[in-house]
Amino acid sequence: ETGVTQTPRHLVMGMTNKKSLKCEQHLGHNAMYWYKQSAKKPLELMFVYSLEERVENNSVPSRFSPECPNSSHLFLHLHTLQPEDSALYLCASSQSFGPGKSNEKLFFGSGTQLSVL
Amino acid sequence: AQKITQTQPGMFVQEKEAVTLDCTYDTSDPSYGLFWYKQPSSGEMIFLIYQGSYDQQNATEGRYSLNFQKARKSANLVISASQLGDSAMYFCAGTSYGKLTFGQGTILTVHP
Repeated sequence: ETGVTQTPRHLVMGMTNKKSLKCEQHLGHNAMYWYKQSAKKPLELMFVYSLEERVENNSVPSRFSPECPNSSHLFLHLHTLQPEDSALYLCASSQSFGPGKSNEKLFFGSGTQLSVL
Repeated sequence: AQKITQTQPGMFVQEKEAVTLDCTYDTSDPSYGLFWYKQPSSGEMIFLIYQGSYDQQNATEGRYSLNFQKARKSANLVISASQLGDSAMYFCAGTSYGKLTFGQGTILTVHP
């Protein structure tokens, strides 16, 4: 496989469930990202990991918990979500991250479409 | 903070015609980058083209070109010879101070 792979593609969960989203990149990149894409809103950056260390956390509620066990894998653990958390969750990777990296392009997965009932 | 604005929620174009998707940006970072991504119905964001703030010439990638006008702070995407497969959502994005910010997106529909 090549690129960025996300599983599952679709997820339906109740507000009391606990689930996890998985992302794997096969590009040898050092930075990985979680984005949230809601209808009619720009993509919102949630978390950034650079060399397995969290470097960005954009005021995301604690019911979203990221985990980066190594540079190829990224997880987003979900618990006690709200209906407004229903969205497309996109994972991305880039060679590196940080100021002075203005030309770093992101490679995205196909996303997980999450519905919270 | 950087701001990316796409003012066209939807655009229509006839197959084989050219189309321009608008994007304006606002940043105080002198070293910034501008990107265009395509998102088909499958959900994956696909990188199309990049323009750096210090690049003198407009970027081109096959049928895609970026009309970069610094004075107007605009970075419009031009797609030449539109194809049915170009129907998708298009996002303008910019990096500034290490952060990538996306615009609201434009839905492009190509008619046969």
